[in-house]
Amino acid sequence: AQSVTQPDIHITVSEGASLELRCNYSYGATPYLFWYVQSPGQGLQLLLKYFSGDTLVQGIKGFEAEFKRSQSSFNLRKPSVHWSDAAEYFCAVGARAAGNKLTFGGGTRVLVKP
Amino acid sequence: SAVISQKPSRDICQRGTSLTIQCQVDSQVTMMFWYRQQPGQSLTLIATANQGSEATYESGFVIDKFPISRPNLTFSTLTVSNMSPEDSSIYLCSVEDAGPRGYTFGSGTRLTVV
Repeated sequence: AQSVTQPDIHITVSEGASLELRCNYSYGATPYLFWYVQSPGQGLQLLLKYFSGDTLVQGIKGFEAEFKRSQSSFNLRKPSVHWSDAAEYFCAVGARAAGNKLTFGGGTRVLVKP
Repeated sequence: SAVISQKPSRDICQRGTSLTIQCQVDSQVTMMFWYRQQPGQSLTLIATANQGSEATYESGFVIDKFPISRPNLTFSTLTVSNMSPEDSSIYLCSVEDAGPRGYTFGSGTRLTVV
């Protein structure tokens, strides 16, 4: 069965500083990997996704993520955080062999200090 | 990406009653997914709904408690039956996009059971 771990429950970062959110997955083959953001009271918005090819993926809002097969990781990064980036971030894994179901990590709540 | 209209956006219900949540998609999709997000928690898949067949439920979820209908390729409902305060959660529907792999989510239904 596939699983996703986000080791950091909370992260506090100063506005303008860089941000990295960790995601580790467990799956026998190469999965589909996603990062979603959920702002307070809002639904889920897709930031970026990886299926194959270039392991560095660019997303919306200035986010990028790097797939590292050797580390089973898909960490999310942003060079300079804005106050509007304060939200909950979810890493998710899916696979065709798993019926296209998404399995979500526990989420990381990002707080941005002025 | 598909556009999903999910209703109601929120509701407060008495214990012992039932609530039906609707998801309407602006395009035909094969698979629809229903998730639950308990307060402060991540998303957990309840079931996968394919048109023309019975929904497939994940471990810990049963049809008697969460009956699902999928009458056509653009619509699905999830009913939360005989509700208790423990059912207070956000319920989200999701579809797999027809284009490059991705999943779109409805805006969610915030359910409070009193």
